[in-house]
Amino acid sequence: GENVEQHPSTLSVQEGDSAVIKCTYSDSASNYFPWYKQELGKGPQLIIDIRSNVGEKKDQRIAVTLNKTAKHFSLHITETQPEDSAVYFCAGILNYGGSQGNLIFGKGTKLSVKP
Amino acid sequence: GAGVSQSPSNKVTEKGKDVELRCDPISGHTALYWYRQSLGQGLEFLIYFQGNSAPDKSGLPSDRFSAERTGGSVSTLTIQRTQQEDSAVYLCASRRNAGFSYNEQFFGPGTRLTVL
Repeated sequence: GENVEQHPSTLSVQEGDSAVIKCTYSDSASNYFPWYKQELGKGPQLIIDIRSNVGEKKDQRIAVTLNKTAKHFSLHITETQPEDSAVYFCAGILNYGGSQGNLIFGKGTKLSVKP
Repeated sequence: GAGVSQSPSNKVTEKGKDVELRCDPISGHTALYWYRQSLGQGLEFLIYFQGNSAPDKSGLPSDRFSAERTGGSVSTLTIQRTQQEDSAVYLCASRRNAGFSYNEQFFGPGTRLTVL
């Protein structure tokens, strides 16, 4: 089955700097990779996702890149702000014809943005 | 509209007691998931309901754990004879299953379970 590894487990940056979180996956058949942000006391919330037929996707200050050959994908946050402080989770899944199972999550990265 | 709701938000119980956790998914969402999140850990899949199909129970850690989904809507996760290692946040998520695209899982706020 799928296994997702996430690094680093903690990341501290200065406000305005960039932050990068990296994940690797084991199942080459996986084709959908979402990123979730979890604030304290709340459930995770989807912030961006990427499908295996594209290499990069951007949404304002957030971008995700995917390298299918190396089986890794990364989250990039530019111009970080204190409100970006949270735990970020990557995940992977094999999506087949509208019938999907469960997401396999990484262990999370606690991002702290210092003012 | 309303998101995924879970109750109770916090539950403290004594070792050996049974507990029931409730999840109300977003209306119209046919897929429902339960995850467990231990302190400082990622999300551990427990069980998955999809429409009228048999649930995927492959993530349940022991036979003390069970879940039901009545009428394709509300779900209850039951933990019998609770142990201290069951202490965690239990998260529920629902997803609209339509077409051939993977649709976002929407998470509830979770139930924090503490077993004394």
